[in-house]
Amino acid sequence: DAGVTQSPTHLIKTRGQQVTLRCSPKSGHDTVSWYQQALGQGPQFIFQYYEEEERQRGNFPDRFSGHQFPNYSSELNVNALLLGDSALYLCASSLAWQAAYEQYFGPGTRLTVT
Amino acid sequence: AQRVTQPEKLLSVFKGAPVELKCNYSYSGSPELFWYVQYSRQRLQLLLRHISRESIKGFTADLNKGETSFHLKKPFAQEEDSAMYYCALNGNRDDKIIFGKGTRLHILP
Repeated sequence: DAGVTQSPTHLIKTRGQQVTLRCSPKSGHDTVSWYQQALGQGPQFIFQYYEEEERQRGNFPDRFSGHQFPNYSSELNVNALLLGDSALYLCASSLAWQAAYEQYFGPGTRLTVT
Repeated sequence: AQRVTQPEKLLSVFKGAPVELKCNYSYSGSPELFWYVQYSRQRLQLLLRHISRESIKGFTADLNKGETSFHLKKPFAQEEDSAMYYCALNGNRDDKIIFGKGTRLHILP
């Protein structure tokens, strides 16, 4: 089991563009959470998906949206990119009933907005 | 508002010396608290959680509700403890986990 995988590893986009990041959860996990980690900061919770629906959401604008597929993989979409969206985006997977206690993180996608 | 504060960005400790990484939280109810660790070139991973009252890799953390703290301690530092440490809070038990900014622990030989 490769654990949580994310693609791409790095991405460079221009202000105003749209981006899609992908995450495959650890085998057996059904819940995916997304975090944004700006330089020098801790991860900040964006949202969580379970049973193909957004279950929880942090303080992020509607420009940030997501999706979960029947195979539990997930996408994070960001529209109208701003320079401030430059960050490491982390995906974490877990079982729904123990999401806070036992979540496994992926390696992250480094997004640079120019 | 829920908040996690890690007052030290960098902590340098000699090998064999005691380690204490500070974490203070702001939350009015009964919190769930965690410590996460990220070793160089590795993924962020859970180190321990207060509800388990466990010791992992020699680290322990006690929840002090009076002082709203959850400091991470180890009696004798080892070189392999060098890493980035994040304190995290699940205040409303809703999985909206709030992380502190992290403390980089550097173990000196």
